[in-house]
This record gives sequence, C-alpha cells and structure tokens, in this order.
Amino acid sequence: AQSVTQPDARVTVSEGASLQLRCKYSYSGTPYLFWYVQYPRQGLQLLLKYYSGDPVVQGVNGFEAEFIKSNSSFHLRKASVHWSDSAVYFCAVSAGNNNNAPRFGAGTKLSVKP
Amino acid sequence: DPKIIQKPKYLVAVTGSEKILICEQYLGHNAMYWYRQSAKKPLEFMFSYSYQKLMDNQTASSRFQPQSSKKNHLDLQITALKPDDSATYFCASSQTGTGEVFFGKGTRLTVV
Repeated sequence: AQSVTQPDARVTVSEGASLQLRCKYSYSGTPYLFWYVQYPRQGLQLLLKYYSGDPVVQGVNGFEAEFIKSNSSFHLRKASVHWSDSAVYFCAVSAGNNNNAPRFGAGTKLSVKP
Repeated sequence: DPKIIQKPKYLVAVTGSEKILICEQYLGHNAMYWYRQSAKKPLEFMFSYSYQKLMDNQTASSRFQPQSSKKNHLDLQITALKPDDSATYFCASSQTGTGEVFFGKGTRLTVV
C-alpha cells in the first residue's frame, strides 16, 4: 500500500520569498504523484501531477515539483509566493492504474505574510 | 459550474440517526470515491468504485455503506451516527488510467 508523509504541518513565509513544501512517499511500484491545494471551506484542486518523463513538472500559478526517485520525494516549489497562496497543500500518491485511489499526506498549512 | 455535485452542503444529525450523503458527477468518469476530512485525520480514503462495483474499502465500520444507483452516482449512507462521525465528506471521481482525481466541495456533517 502507498502512503505519504508531509513533515511540516505549518510553514510561514514572507510574500515574495521562495517556497518549498516537502513530501515523501512510500510505494514499491512506479507512483503517480500529485499536489493539491485546499482553500478554506472548499474542495481540493489539482496543482500538478507526475506520471513519468521529465522529473520536474510545472503546475498552475507558478508552482512546480520535482520527482526524485532515489529519495522517494516530490517536493513542491515556487520561486515567489503571493499572499493568495495561503492555503493547505496536500501531496498524494497513487498506483496510477486500475482506479487506485490516491492516498494523501496530512497536509501543510501555508501562511504568507504580507 | 460544478461538475461534481454533493448534497447537502451542510448537515446536522442527531446521535443514533441515519443520513444519506448525495454525490453526482458529470465528468463522464467511470470511477468514484469517498474521502473524509476531520481534525483528527486530515484526508482519509474511505471507498472506491469503478463501473458501479466496489474496488476498495478502507472503512472499518459497516455503518458506512456506499450506494451506486447509476454510473455517475455514488451516495454514502451512514447509520447509527456518532459524534465522532462529524467531518467533511468529499466525493471524488476519475477516469481509468489517468490517476487524476477531481473533488466535489464536500458535505459538512455535524453529529450532536
């Protein structure tokens, strides 16, 4: 079975600063990896996904993530954050095929200070 | 224009009662899921269905029963409600092979 660890429950950065949110997954096969964002009282929205190929994937709103197989990691990055990026970010892993449901990490609450 | 509709948005129930959470998706997907989010367990996978058949069940309690009357429907019946069942329940869907899951806005259940 697959699982995800997001070691940072909360991260606070200043507006304009760079950002990295950490994610480590556990899965013996080839994973499908995702980052989702959740704004207050809303559902989850997909930021980006990795299936195969280039290990650096681009997402919406300037977010990107890098798949590092040797480290079982899929960290999320952004060069310059905006106050509107404040939200909870979830990393997820699935087996990819056969409608295997993604398993989510505990989430990282990002606060961007003006 | 929401493509995954969950009803109701908010629900208050009495301990011991039974409720049904409704989910319909209009994305043409063949797989549907239920997740639960609470303060104790941030986003917990519950069930997955594919072509109206149960594929995976990670819910220990039989009080939670998914019901699929149509390909694009996956309701969740919860019986003998307990205060610990208080959570936001998210319905989601995907298309086989893509892995990408789309979420509804959730039903926020409070059991008093």
